Amino acid sequence: GQQVMQIPQYQHVQEGEDFTTYCNSSTTLSNIQWYKQRPGGHPVFLIQLVKSGEVKKQKRLTFQFGEAKKNSSLHITATQTTDVGTYFCAGLGNQFYFGTGTSLTVIP
Amino acid sequence: SAVISQKPSRDICQRGTSLTIQCQVDSQVTMMFWYRQQPGQSLTLIATANQGSEATYESGFVIDKFPISRPNLTFSTLTVSNMSPEDSSIYLCSVVTGIGYGYTFGSGTRLTVV
Repeated sequence: GQQVMQIPQYQHVQEGEDFTTYCNSSTTLSNIQWYKQRPGGHPVFLIQLVKSGEVKKQKRLTFQFGEAKKNSSLHITATQTTDVGTYFCAGLGNQFYFGTGTSLTVIP
Repeated sequence: SAVISQKPSRDICQRGTSLTIQCQVDSQVTMMFWYRQQPGQSLTLIATANQGSEATYESGFVIDKFPISRPNLTFSTLTVSNMSPEDSSIYLCSVVTGIGYGYTFGSGTRLTVV
């Protein structure tokens, strides 16, 4: 069946360093969404990408959808302690699946 | 986006008992979704609840174990029946309020079965 994998599973960075999480699907996706879940919280929708090769930015966050629409990435520039949490991608293939998540720890 | 009130926020239950989780949305939505998230894991869809019809369950989830009600367009309940420790998890309801808006989640119910 369809799988959406994310790497890395965990990432520890010093505050101010950049961070990237990668999302890979076994099937082509109609769209990709990204969510952030703070520790103890619930997932919060960040953005949706629909077009092949699409790039969107939200302040220090850059989201990219691959040309083949099977992968995506989230890049955070100059991480801050407020970026701590788990980042999930979620994609619509034959069903809607959440990725395995990347847990980000930012060391002050 | 919608605002969802989910309760209880947490509970500790004895095995063999049942717990009903409620979600109230501040706007009318066609579909409501129930997810399970085990500690440190991703989200797994349990079922989709449509008003006026039976819920649609995903593989591995059955109505006898997770009965769902959807009496109107703003409310739904999920019951976890005959609980065992393996049911200990976070349960979340969610809705989609429009194209491009993504899922809005309730605050979650942290269930511990002892």
